[in-house]
Amino acid sequence: AAGVIQSPRHLIKEKRETATLKCYPIPRHDTVYWYQQGPGQDPQFLISFYEKMQSDKGSIPDRFSAQQFSDYHSELNMSSLELGDSALYFCASSLAPGSTDTQYFGPGTRLTVL
Amino acid sequence: TQLLEQSPQFLSIQEGENLTVYCNSSSVFSSLQWYRQEPGEGPVLLVTVVTGGEVKKLKRLTFQFGDARKDSSLHITAAQPGDTGLYLCAGVTGGGNKLTFGTGTQLKVEL
Repeated sequence: AAGVIQSPRHLIKEKRETATLKCYPIPRHDTVYWYQQGPGQDPQFLISFYEKMQSDKGSIPDRFSAQQFSDYHSELNMSSLELGDSALYFCASSLAPGSTDTQYFGPGTRLTVL
Repeated sequence: TQLLEQSPQFLSIQEGENLTVYCNSSSVFSSLQWYRQEPGEGPVLLVTVVTGGEVKKLKRLTFQFGDARKDSSLHITAAQPGDTGLYLCAGVTGGGNKLTFGTGTQLKVEL
């Protein structure tokens, strides 16, 4: 079965640079979520989208922005990168935005900021 | 303050032993999911529980959702080395749909 696809899998950037992470949800899933997982920490919710509209917002820095496109894929744009942004970034998708809809996670993008 | 507390945090057992991982909160959850995560990989869904008191079985894994939907447990029977990994509970609370993850349980099963 098709899973959530994330690209790139690994990304190395310098401080103050920008980065764009992409997420392709499972076919027919219309809701996308972004999570950040620091070393040794549990994933923290950043933001979610349903039908191209932001549906919920968590602890996402103002330097980050995200959007969902008409084909339901999503992009997380990160600017003025800081060392502390180094983490695993996961995208998840669900069939619908309901509180009981299961979220399926992608393999993640490992971002390293030097 | 962590919304979802898991215990134990670390568990090292021998092959064939049974174990139980607990996920507790003072909040009520609309749903609760259990994931297993390998280092550097995304969490892989094991089960979703929605109804208070619900019990789901997945081969040697048994999941239970508390009657009040504030807690859950994962029981593994006859653990195998392949069960080694980080087990995370995660739930949706309030009116939104974002997942709040538990503190995690790192399980190691040795031969």
